[in-house]
Amino acid sequence: DVQLVQSGAEVKKPGESLNISCKTSGFRFTTYWIDWVRQMPGKGLEWMGIIYPGDSDTIYSPSFQGQVTMSADKSTSTAYLQWSSLKPSDTGMYYCARRDRPYCRGGYCQVDSWGQGTLVTVSS
Amino acid sequence: QSVLTQPPSVSAAPGQKVTISCSGSSSNIGNNYVSWYQQLPGTAPKLLIYENNKRPSGIPDRFSGSKSGTSATLGITGLQTGDEGDYYCGTWDSSLNAGVFGGGTKLTVL
Repeated sequence: DVQLVQSGAEVKKPGESLNISCKTSGFRFTTYWIDWVRQMPGKGLEWMGIIYPGDSDTIYSPSFQGQVTMSADKSTSTAYLQWSSLKPSDTGMYYCARRDRPYCRGGYCQVDSWGQGTLVTVSS
Repeated sequence: QSVLTQPPSVSAAPGQKVTISCSGSSSNIGNNYVSWYQQLPGTAPKLLIYENNKRPSGIPDRFSGSKSGTSATLGITGLQTGDEGDYYCGTWDSSLNAGVFGGGTKLTVL
């Protein structure tokens, strides 16, 4: 079975750094693109970006470019989302999700499996 | 402001049918597959429809999808109280080179 298991909830102060994880299993990690999606409290889904663990190729949404860093560790089949300096506006639920076809990131595939989400709260 | 436009809310009685629209452009819906996601309260989104009109295994045939031009529609028949939640359309935008979602539609089963 395809599984994406995310790290637990985090409470941080503004200016702190953070790394959240998405550990995958049940598929060949290096051949599937992984999306990251934000959901702010009471709001809709926002696409943040996508990473190909095979070579760490990434595409960021312009809204998130320079604000976060996506990475992947092939040895542990784990994707990461990192902040170097958190802001209160980063508060929200963050989901990782897998595309449904290997090697595909564009319009001919879609997200089919989601992690359970990681709640990030940034407050002084 | 989302790239894809959905109605904020829809409602219908149990057993009835509802449709949710998703409007985009030639750079997204017009030339790419559309998927639909169901998000029940307090849970992660779940894939309902992929490739415009296909259902993953385990999704009942009460759920259907269609696409015409730059718009897509999700249909739900035989509404149940357990269907209450938020529904999102999603696709790829070839001009932005990015994934895009609709703003979401809250379904209320009266």
